Amino acid sequence: GDSVTQMEGPVTLSEEAFLTINCTYTATGYPSLFWYVQYPGEGLQLLLKATKADDKGSNKGFEATYRKETTSFHLEKGSVQVSDSAVYFCALSKYNFNKFYFGSGTKLNVKP
Amino acid sequence: DTAVSQTPKYLVTQMGNDKSIKCEQNLGHDTMYWYKQDSKKFLKIMFSYNNKELIINETVPNRFSPKSPDKAHLNLHINSLELGDSAVYFCASSQAESEQFFGPGTRLTVL
Repeated sequence: GDSVTQMEGPVTLSEEAFLTINCTYTATGYPSLFWYVQYPGEGLQLLLKATKADDKGSNKGFEATYRKETTSFHLEKGSVQVSDSAVYFCALSKYNFNKFYFGSGTKLNVKP
Repeated sequence: DTAVSQTPKYLVTQMGNDKSIKCEQNLGHDTMYWYKQDSKKFLKIMFSYNNKELIINETVPNRFSPKSPDKAHLNLHINSLELGDSAVYFCASSQAESEQFFGPGTRLTVL
C-alpha cells in the first residue's frame, strides 16, 4: 500500500546549520507530496508542497524537490533558526487529496 | 477568523465516561477528517467525511462515532473511554485539489 517513511529524530542542530530531513514514499500512480510543520502545542500547518515530478516546493527558506526516480521528497534549509524547532511531517496524497498518508514525524531542535 | 476550530482544547475525564469533541470549519471545504496523534507524535487517520457522508473509516473501535450534521461540522463522540484513548485529536478539512487544514487539537486525558 501507499506509505511515507521519514528519518527518525530528534535532529539537533546549532543555529545557522544546514538542515536535511529525509523522506521517501511508496505509491502507485502520481501522488502529490507535502511537508507539514507542527510547532509545540499547535496543529499541523502546511509548509510546502509539490504536485508532480521535478516540482520544487519552497516556503520560509525551506525547499523540497519531488524526485520520482528516487521516490524522495527531502526537506532542506540552508540556515536554521531557533524558531524552526518543531516536528516536521512528510505526507502524500492521491485521489483528489481525499486521503493523506503521513510519515511518523521528525522532531527538530535548534540550539542558539 | 479561525479556519478550523475545535472545542474543547483540553478534556480530562474518568475511564468509562462518554465525551464529545466538536469541530467546525469556515473554509467552505467539502471534506473533513479526524486524526489521533499519540505521545510519539504519530498521526493516524480515523475518519473522513465528504459532504456529510462517511468516506474513510479506518480500523477504529466502535466506541468512536463521528457525526456530521452539515458539511461545516464534524463531531466525534467517544463512549466508555479507556486509558488508551488519551491522545491529541485533530480535526482537519480540505477541498479537492488542495491541502488539508488542521485545527489546533484537543488533548484528551483519561484517568
